[in-house]
Amino acid sequence: LAKTTQPISMDSYEGQEVNITCSHNNIATNDYITWYQQFPSQGPRFIIQGYKTKVTNEVASLFIPADRKSSTLSLPRVSLSDTAVYYCLVGQPPGYSSASKIIFGSGTRLSIRP
Amino acid sequence: KAGVTQTPRYLIKTRGQQVTLSCSPISGHRSVSWYQQTPGQGLQFLFEYFSETQRNKGNFPGRFSGRQFSNSRSEMNVSTLELGDSTLYLCASSQGGGGTGPYKAEAFFGQGTRLTVV
Repeated sequence: LAKTTQPISMDSYEGQEVNITCSHNNIATNDYITWYQQFPSQGPRFIIQGYKTKVTNEVASLFIPADRKSSTLSLPRVSLSDTAVYYCLVGQPPGYSSASKIIFGSGTRLSIRP
Repeated sequence: KAGVTQTPRYLIKTRGQQVTLSCSPISGHRSVSWYQQTPGQGLQFLFEYFSETQRNKGNFPGRFSGRQFSNSRSEMNVSTLELGDSTLYLCASSQGGGGTGPYKAEAFFGQGTRLTVV
């Protein structure tokens, strides 16, 4: 099971681009990389998921190098409402199969200032 | 469509009692996973049910159990409550998958049930 390492916290300002990197040296061939966002007293919310190269949706981009040993979540032009904890998960996604062993890391606490 | 619904949102129980938490998944989703979230340990996986069968289990004592009904609704039961069980319990639903090869599945989380044991 791939263990993930993320920075404990990050600070940025409104309007800036924020990049959060996650290390996962033991990622397996069939593992996906999924990022979740969590606000206080709420359940995590799916942000983006990828397997390799680059994935982009309406809220974020996910960059995955060829060796897949790390990934970077990119949040363009952040606002105060992006202040939250961001989790990187590697493996079979929650609920996918009997191979899913779900382990959330400590996450990155992102603080956005005016 | 309606999201994942967890009931009740808040619960106060006495040490030694048992408690049942409920999770109604998104319509059409067959997988329900349960998590415990504490300030110190973060999000920890309890177990997952798929088509009424427990498919995966985390490292929690037998006091924590669950079940899933034919309509995919799931319940989690905690017996002989301890003070340390006071925390937020989350469930997530997904379509569930299967087969070989890399596939992806998006999980949707409920807002959680905050349990307080006194």
